[in-house]
Amino acid sequence: LAKTTQPISMDSYEGQEVNITCSHNNIATNDYITWYQQFPSQGPRFIIQGYKTKVTNEVASLFIPADRKSSTLSLPRVSLSDTAVYYCLVGLYNNNDMRFGAGTRLTVKP
Amino acid sequence: GAVVSQHPSWVICKSGTSVKIECRSLDFQATTMFWYRQFPKQSLMLMATSNEGSKATYEQGVEKDKFLINHASLTLSTLTVTSAHPEDSSFYICSATPATTYNEQFFGPGTRLTVL
Repeated sequence: LAKTTQPISMDSYEGQEVNITCSHNNIATNDYITWYQQFPSQGPRFIIQGYKTKVTNEVASLFIPADRKSSTLSLPRVSLSDTAVYYCLVGLYNNNDMRFGAGTRLTVKP
Repeated sequence: GAVVSQHPSWVICKSGTSVKIECRSLDFQATTMFWYRQFPKQSLMLMATSNEGSKATYEQGVEKDKFLINHASLTLSTLTVTSAHPEDSSFYICSATPATTYNEQFFGPGTRLTVL
């Protein structure tokens, strides 16, 4: 069961790039890395998923080093609406090991 | 994209009553559904995993007789909080995994339960 560690909170300003790193030292060979965003009183929303190297979509990039023991979510040019909690999850959903860590509370300031 | 709905979105009940929360996958079949509970300012806590047609697997510390989970079809799972008490007040969130893929999990919007 891969445990994840993230910073509890981060502050940023509008227009800046934000990088949130997640540590997952005991990631298994078949595990994927997935990041979710959650606003208050809403269910988590999928941001991005990757297995290795770099993945980019319309909202974020995910950087995964060769050893896969960590990953970095990169949010380009954040806005106030990006203020949320971001969770990093590691695992396979059909292996019954989808557990959320504490997440990172990102606050974007004007 | 895949959509998961929950009903109701919020519910207020009296202590001692039972409340049922539905979780539906609207445009895909879900072999596995998860139920989470989230208290204010805290992370999501996995309560149980339910697979269609079989008994749910509960996390340690979650009372299976209090939180009844039924996954009778590939698109519907229900969570019943029996004899609810104020300490059961929380935000309950379900998620579903499509039968065709194993690495995607889609979350419902959550249900706010308040027990008076």
